[in-house]
Amino acid sequence: NAGVTQTPKFQVLKTGQSMTLQCAQDMNHNSMYWYRQDPGMGLRLIYYSASEGTTDKGEVPNGYNVSRLNKREFSLRLESAAPSQTSVYFCASSVGPSYEQYFGPGTRLTVT
Amino acid sequence: AQTVTQSQPEMSVQEAETVTLSCTYDTSENNYYLFWYKQPPSRQMILVIRQEAYKQQNATENRFSVNFQKAAKSFSLKISDSQLGDTAMYFCAFMKQVGSQGNLIFGKGTKLSVKP
Repeated sequence: NAGVTQTPKFQVLKTGQSMTLQCAQDMNHNSMYWYRQDPGMGLRLIYYSASEGTTDKGEVPNGYNVSRLNKREFSLRLESAAPSQTSVYFCASSVGPSYEQYFGPGTRLTVT
Repeated sequence: AQTVTQSQPEMSVQEAETVTLSCTYDTSENNYYLFWYKQPPSRQMILVIRQEAYKQQNATENRFSVNFQKAAKSFSLKISDSQLGDTAMYFCAFMKQVGSQGNLIFGKGTKLSVKP
């Protein structure tokens, strides 16, 4: 089992460019999440999908959109990247909303 | 709103010694979960231990154990027989049992260095 995988591992964007971060899990989990981690801070929830076909905003959703493509995949899109979105992005999954979450390896994104 | 506080930004410990990392939280909920996650230099977030608030017994996972004090809203992590591979950031996290939608609230982390 690969667990939770994320692509790409690193990305540099110019202000205004768009991109999509990909996440997939092979654990047959129902719930998936996107977090960002900024220096000196813990992770903060951007968006989540409690089950296939549903998505909802977390603590810091502005500037992002998500798609739960199927049970395995949950993508995060930046439509017009800004320097404030420079961060490390983590995808996670869990059996359900009240269960422990398992994280991917993260994507380091730099917006110049 | 729930908050999680880790008051020790950095700690160090000698190999084979025991170290305790502190975590306090603020909530009006009665039922919730608490977690410790480890983030080594590889950046991977790894679940270390989980505690359900309704359980009085402290969770234990090999060399890792917690001291859960519900009334004091305290959830410390004890690492026994520290190993070099324990060097990492450690994050305490809180999740409501009902209505959380899986939203983990993280502390800012404690950087632990294990010295040979």
